[in-house]
Order: sequence, then structure tokens, then C-alpha cells
Amino acid sequence: EPEVTQTPSHQVTQMGQEVILRCVPISNHLYFYWYRQILGQKVEFLVSFYNNEISEKSEIFDDQFSVERPDGSNFTLKIRSTKLEDSAMYFCASGTGTPAEQYFGPGTRLTVT
Amino acid sequence: GNSVTQMEGPVTLSEEAFLTINCTYTATGYPSLFWYVQYPGEGLQLLLKATKADDKGSNKGFEATYRKETTSFHLEKGSVQVSDSAVYFCALSARRGGGNKLTFGTGTQLKVEL
Repeated sequence: EPEVTQTPSHQVTQMGQEVILRCVPISNHLYFYWYRQILGQKVEFLVSFYNNEISEKSEIFDDQFSVERPDGSNFTLKIRSTKLEDSAMYFCASGTGTPAEQYFGPGTRLTVT
Repeated sequence: GNSVTQMEGPVTLSEEAFLTINCTYTATGYPSLFWYVQYPGEGLQLLLKATKADDKGSNKGFEATYRKETTSFHLEKGSVQVSDSAVYFCALSARRGGGNKLTFGTGTQLKVEL
């Protein structure tokens, strides 16, 4: 069964450094998403991406964040200058758009020290 | 804006007990509703869904019915197992063209004991 994959599973970085989190969505999906979950808290929407552009973003997704689909398979989230409060589990998800369900990857745990 | 409210956890049950996890929502229009499950150390898995009023989603013995009149989507299972121990998230997706971000509840931890 096809699944969403994410790398790395765990990333440790120092405050102020850039990180790139990578995702390979399910191949026939058209909509791509990033969410994050701070430890013990709810899952929060960051951004959705369709047709090579951002379709929606939350207030969390400020200028420090960017997304890219550099080729036909990968979908990346870049944080330009990490802060301590960026420490969280980051989930990538993909979907066909209709119906509305999304399929999640296993997540990347980002630890900013 | 859209929101989802879930009952506080943890919920601790004995094996074979009946499970209910309450979920209510606030949304404009006609959202789609979902339950996702997160097992320890893993990502989110879609458990079941319902896309219109009175629809019942079901999977692995779990059920939830989309009740528009009470804006609820309570999760139920008749007989839980130890392997059902996980965190359960209720979520909604507003019906709109493209994007369809998910809005999640805070999650309810379920612990099932022998």
C-alpha cells in the first residue's frame, strides 16, 4: 500500500540554523500539506500546496518558513533560522483533494537547541 | 473559524469495555469529519471518516456518526483491546475548493488495561 515517507526521522539543530525537512507524498496525490505537533499539544496546520503554489497558510507559517516541490516526487519544508519554539514533530500529508482525507507520514522530530 | 472540541483524557478502560470519545465541532457549511489515531511513537493514521450528515464511518470495530443537529462525531467501540491504546484525534475539513486543511481537536489518550 502506498504511503507518505519523511526524512530524517529526527533532526537536531542549533538555534539560528537552517533545516530542510523532506517528504515523498503518495505518487498520484495532488495536494500536499505540512502540520506540526508540539509535544503534548494538538496537531496544527502550517501550509497546503497545490499546482506548484501555496494554496493556504496559517499564521504560524511566517517568512522563516518556505515549501518547495523541487521535482516530481519530493516536497520540502525549509525553516531558515530555527528558534527554540520550532521544536516539534513535523508531519507531511498528501491527498487527492476529493474526498478530503489526507494521509500522513511518520513525522520528523525537530529538536532546536 | 472552524474548531473541534474533544473530551479530555486520559481515558482508562479495561479490555472488552465499551468506548465513547466525544467530539463536537464548529464550522460553517458542511464539513467532512474524521477520526485519526496515533499509536505510541508513530504518525497519524486515518481511522474513519464521514462526509455528510447522518453518514456513519466505521473501521476496525470503531464507529462514528455525523450528527449535524448536535454538531457531533462521537467515536465508539463496543469492546476495546489493549492494542487500541493510542491517542485519538477528531478532525474536520471544511468543504472548499482545494487545500482542505484539517482542523484537529486536542486528542484523547486511551489506555486499555487487562
